Parts: sequence; C-alpha cells; structure tokens
Amino acid sequence: QLQLQESGPGLVKPSETLSLTCTVSGDAITTGRYYWAWIRQPPGKGLEWIGSVYYVGSASYNSSLKSRLSISVDTSKSQFSLNLRSVTAADTAVYYCARHFNGPLGTTHYFDYWGRGSLVTVSS
Amino acid sequence: QPVLTQPPSASGTPGQRVIISCSGSSPNIGRNTVTWYQQVPGTAPKLLIYESDQRPSGVPDRFSGSKSGTSASLAITGLQSEDEADFYCSTWDDTLNGVVFGGGTKLTVL
Repeated sequence: QLQLQESGPGLVKPSETLSLTCTVSGDAITTGRYYWAWIRQPPGKGLEWIGSVYYVGSASYNSSLKSRLSISVDTSKSQFSLNLRSVTAADTAVYYCARHFNGPLGTTHYFDYWGRGSLVTVSS
Repeated sequence: QPVLTQPPSASGTPGQRVIISCSGSSPNIGRNTVTWYQQVPGTAPKLLIYESDQRPSGVPDRFSGSKSGTSASLAITGLQSEDEADFYCSTWDDTLNGVVFGGGTKLTVL
C-alpha cells in the first residue's frame, strides 16, 4: 500500500523559506504516468494545487506561486521536496503531498494517494 | 476566487438523494475530465470520482459523477450520516496550465 509522509518545520518566520519533504513508501517514486504533488489548504478554506514534479525532475507550478517556488525529487531517498520562498501569513496552511496521475492525453489529472498533511504556520 | 464554482453548502436527510454541482468553463471542465474528493474535517481528502464518472475500488456505488459541457455533478443516493463531509471538484485548466479546484461544498446530513 502506497504511503506518503510529510515532514518539516511547523513554524516559519515571515520572509523566510518554507521547506517540506515528502517520503514515499510502498511503491517506487519512479513509477511512470505518476507525478508527485504538493497541495495546500489554509485553515477553514479550500484546496490549492501548488505544483507537481516527475521523477526525472521536470516540474509544473501554480502560476500564482511560481516566482517563489521550487519542487525537487530525490529518487535515491524516495523523497520529493517543496521550497517556498519569502513566505507571509497568507502561506499558513496544511500542506499535503500526494501522488498525481497524469493521463496519456493530458486531460485526466487526479491525486489518488495523500499524506496526512503538515500544518505550517508563518509567524514571527 | 476558485476557478470552479460549487455551492458552499448542501444538505439532505438519511436515505435522500443529493446532487452537488461544479461549474467551470471551456479551458477546464470543457476540455478535461473531472475529479471529486471527499474530505472529513481534520483528515486528508480522499479520491471519490475520477475521469468524471469512475469510482476507485472501495467507493460505494451510492456515489456517482457526471459531466456535460462545462459543468459536472456529484450525486449521492441513499444518504448516510457518515457522508457528512466537504466535497471538492477538480480538473486541469489548459489556460492556467495547472490543476484547479472548486471552493468546496459542505454536506450536512440532517
């Protein structure tokens, strides 16, 4: 059974960098057709896709976050990571990592396995 | 503002049928399949419907999805108290070049 687990600091100061890692177990991170994604949810609000990375390192990002964002993958550790720079209070959220299915025609996208989520608070 | 529009709330009594709508536009729902997620507060979202009308194994057939044009719907029949949760629709947007979500619908079982 595939499992994902987020890890990282729960508190980040404004203007600093938010860094999270997701560890994948139960299946290979190099499985074709699947990307690896970050999604966040501010307290009491809806879901927002942050970005996704393929095991070879190519990534796609939410255009609203792209200038501050990088997502990378380390296949040797079965991990992928999120770095979000220059954070503000608006970046306070539960951050989820998930497996992202991208269909062959590019018209089907869904997240079928999710981590439990990691609450990150931006505050001084 | 979310790209996809959902009603903020829906409700029904046990045994009833409830429908949750999701409205989009040509670059998103109009050209791509729709996914639905169920989220019990305090837990991670769970995949409920993919490819607009497909259920993952383990999801009861009381849940069904459909898509027509630039809108999609999630139907829940034989409503049960355990169905109380937040429901989100999602798809790919060809203009934004990314995954987009609806704002979510809170389902209350009366």
